[in-house]
Amino acid sequence: LAKTTQPISMDSYEGQEVNITCSHNNIATNDYITWYQQFPSQGPRFIIQGYKTKVTNEVASLFIPADRKSSTLSLPRVSLSDTAVYYCLVGLNRDDKIIFGKGTRLHILP
Amino acid sequence: NAGVTQTPKFQVLKTGQSMTLQCAQDMNHEYMSWYRQDPGMGLRLIHYSVGAGITDQGEVPNGYNVSRSTTEDFPLRLLSAAPSQTSVYFCATRQGWDGYTFGSGTRLTVV
Repeated sequence: LAKTTQPISMDSYEGQEVNITCSHNNIATNDYITWYQQFPSQGPRFIIQGYKTKVTNEVASLFIPADRKSSTLSLPRVSLSDTAVYYCLVGLNRDDKIIFGKGTRLHILP
Repeated sequence: NAGVTQTPKFQVLKTGQSMTLQCAQDMNHEYMSWYRQDPGMGLRLIHYSVGAGITDQGEVPNGYNVSRSTTEDFPLRLLSAAPSQTSVYFCATRQGWDGYTFGSGTRLTVV
């Protein structure tokens, strides 16, 4: 299992860029890194996935350094609607237990 | 294409009662799993299945049973409900490299 560690909570303000870093020191060679977003009373939904360097989509960017032992989810110009819990997962490609953990509770302030 | 369907959406049980939470998917995904989420907590894996006929335990399996007789269905059984099982339950599926697809959840209260 690839264990991940991320901050329990973060606060930011509308219009700011938010970066959430996840540590995954025992990531395996073939593991991808995936981030999910969960709003209250809903199941998590996929945000972005990457293997190395940088991935960008319409919602976020994902930065992965060369050693792949960490990753950073970047949310540009956040709004109140970005208030949610964000989960970092490693190794979704495996047929194995996938542990979500507690995620990072992001609170956007006006 | 309904995705992942969980029933019921809400349920109140008395301590000691048994019930089955249903999860059905129409995406032909091999991997299915059950999570529970308590207030302010993340998702904790209860049981998972990598295909029909194969199940395994997650982080918190005690008090729950599962079976996977078909690809489509992955029911979660509470054998004798306890107040500690009050939670929101999510069923999720995935296929290979694709990400998870979650159901809308079942909110269970045990009194």
